[in-house]
Amino acid sequence: DAGITQSPRHKVTETGTPVTLRCHQTENHRYMYWYRQDPGHGLRLIHYSYGVKDTDKGEVSDGYSVSRSKTEDFLLTLESATSSQTSVYFCAISENRAASLHFGNGTRLTVT
Amino acid sequence: SQQGEEDPQALSIQEGENATMNCSYKTSINNLQWYRQNSGRGLVHLILIRSNEREKHSGRLRVTLDTSKKSSSLLITASRAADTASYFCATDATNAGGTSYGKLTFGQGTILTVHP
Repeated sequence: DAGITQSPRHKVTETGTPVTLRCHQTENHRYMYWYRQDPGHGLRLIHYSYGVKDTDKGEVSDGYSVSRSKTEDFLLTLESATSSQTSVYFCAISENRAASLHFGNGTRLTVT
Repeated sequence: SQQGEEDPQALSIQEGENATMNCSYKTSINNLQWYRQNSGRGLVHLILIRSNEREKHSGRLRVTLDTSKKSSSLLITASRAADTASYFCATDATNAGGTSYGKLTFGQGTILTVHP
C-alpha cells in the first residue's frame, strides 16, 4: 500500500459529533488527497494538500476541514457529523502533481 | 460533477475472454489514468496515458486514448478470475490555457466479473 495508513479503519459516531480521520504516509510524498466513495457517485475529492500547511478544496468540501502540519500526516475533520457523511473515506498520496495516486485501504464511517 | 463516465456499468465474462471497458470525459485533459479496486480495498493504479499518446500497453492491459472523441478504453486480454474487480478511469483536467488542475476526477467505475 505504498506506505500509507489510514486510521481508524471503521468508526461509528452520532450525528452532531466531531470526527477526525488520519492519514499517515512514510513515502515523503508532497501531495495528499482525501476522497469519499459512495454508491452511484464513484470517488469524489474532498480536500487536497500540496505541501505542509498548503491545502485546497475539492468538489465536496462543505462540512469538512483538513490540516497538514507535517509532511507525513493529513487529517480530515468532520466538524459536526451528519448522516449524509456516512461513507468510505480514502486517502491518497502522489509524488508529483497529477501523477498516479497511491491509496490507503479506507475508513468506513457510519453516522447514526 | 463526474468528469469520467465508464461504460458498461457491469461486465460479466468467462475466463480467457477479453474485457473492454470504456471511459468518456468532458473537458481537455493532461492525462487519463485507470485504476482497479478489489472489494473492501483501496484503488490500485494500473496505467497512465498522456494526452499526446494514443495507445499504451502494460502486460495484459491495453489502453487507448482518443482526445478528439474525449474517450478512452481499457482492454484486459485473456481475463482471469483474479481480474474480478471494479475498474475506474480518472482524468487530470486542464484549464483553457492547458495548465493541469493537478487533481484527478474519477468516474463511477465498471464492475468486472470473470467466471472461472
